[in-house]
Amino acid sequence: NAGVTQTPKFQVLKTGQSMTLQCAQDMNHNSMYWYRQDPGMGLRLIYYSASEGTTDKGEVPNGYNVSRLNKREFSLRLESAAPSQTSVYFCASRALPNTEAFFGQGTRLTVV
Amino acid sequence: KQEVTQIPAALSVPEGENLVLNCSFTDSAIYNLQWFRQDPGKGLTSLLLIQSSQREQTSGRLNASLDKSSGRSTLYIAASQPGDSATYLCAADSGNTPLVFGKGTRLSVIA
Repeated sequence: NAGVTQTPKFQVLKTGQSMTLQCAQDMNHNSMYWYRQDPGMGLRLIYYSASEGTTDKGEVPNGYNVSRLNKREFSLRLESAAPSQTSVYFCASRALPNTEAFFGQGTRLTVV
Repeated sequence: KQEVTQIPAALSVPEGENLVLNCSFTDSAIYNLQWFRQDPGKGLTSLLLIQSSQREQTSGRLNASLDKSSGRSTLYIAASQPGDSATYLCAADSGNTPLVFGKGTRLSVIA
């Protein structure tokens, strides 16, 4: 039972490079989320998709784009990475609002 | 805008002690509150979800309560063990608004 799977687990980028973080869930959940976690800042919402075909900005969307490819997959793209985007990124999903949320193991991204 | 606060930021207790972790939120119109555990370098593991219509939930040695009127939730851990050492996060859910997290309490249980 995989749950929420994120790839890659670790990544080092140079400033200005682009990359896509992948997230897939096998629980048939409608809603998916991208958070970043930074020391002293807690988890902050970047973007979310309440259902397939919809995406919305969260608290810290600048510098990121997302794609809800299908019901299973929700990707996060950094078009031109900056050192301020060094963080641990978590993907989460849940069936419906008000239901239990499940998280992936995270992607640790370093931008040099 | 919902804001979630967890105090203290860190807590150290001897093994076997019962303890309470606190979580407060500013908007009492929440639909549920969820408690998570995070081990160093790992993802978040869901511990308990309390729906707004419930006052508490229990799982093994864990008991979480919710008081919407006071804007507070507590996580009670009975007979703490070194394996309970982790960061505990609470998150408030206002229906369609995604989970808003506190910054967590880092718990150390000393053998």
